[in-house]
Amino acid sequence: IAGITQAPTSQILAAGRRMTLRCTQDMRHNAMYWYRQDLGLGLRLIHYSNTAGTTGKGEVPDGYSVSRANTDDFPLTLASAVPSQTSVYFCASSDRVIRDRFRGTEAFFGQGTRLTVV
Amino acid sequence: AQSVTQPDIHITVSEGASLELRCNYSYGATPYLFWYVQSPGQGLQLLLKYFSGDTLVQGIKGFEAEFKRSQSSFNLRKPSVHWSDAAEYFCAVGALNFGNEKLTFGTGTRLTIIP
Repeated sequence: IAGITQAPTSQILAAGRRMTLRCTQDMRHNAMYWYRQDLGLGLRLIHYSNTAGTTGKGEVPDGYSVSRANTDDFPLTLASAVPSQTSVYFCASSDRVIRDRFRGTEAFFGQGTRLTVV
Repeated sequence: AQSVTQPDIHITVSEGASLELRCNYSYGATPYLFWYVQSPGQGLQLLLKYFSGDTLVQGIKGFEAEFKRSQSSFNLRKPSVHWSDAAEYFCAVGALNFGNEKLTFGTGTRLTIIP
């Protein structure tokens, strides 16, 4: 089934440890995103990538890094986890079509990764 | 900068009653607008979207939304809710600029359905 796969589903992590959240899509979408979801704050963009080889910072990028070596994969790395990074993380992708601006750019989401930093 | 406001944190309605969830946006040009639904423990699923044309858009599960430029609003409606509609609903605005594409989400409205 086509879509976005995130791994792991959930994780408990000791503070100070390094962690990589994986995200893979098989829809050949140009753009990919990482969001964190926190109660009362909705979804906030961490990092994004418009196309393979490029990345950009979102609203809350500090403490996180991403890479986009190919179209399908967009891993999110926490270099040294802190308790404030306890959250649910969602990866998403969209088909960015510049030549047809009215087609739109709806995002497709993974099932999320619940991360607890203790 | 674009922004989205969902003024209602939590709404409770009776099964079979009508529903309206409010969404106001701020964006300098014609926005791309979306409504997503999130069931407990799940990711977000697109309900409907607006890009241009008819300002009343139909979505899945019997939902509709109306774009009102004068009010900067994109409210979600359903004439008769079902218990399965209980979920969190997110409004989002998108910007398509060359080299930069992002969605900005509202903080969400949690919908509870009572029998």
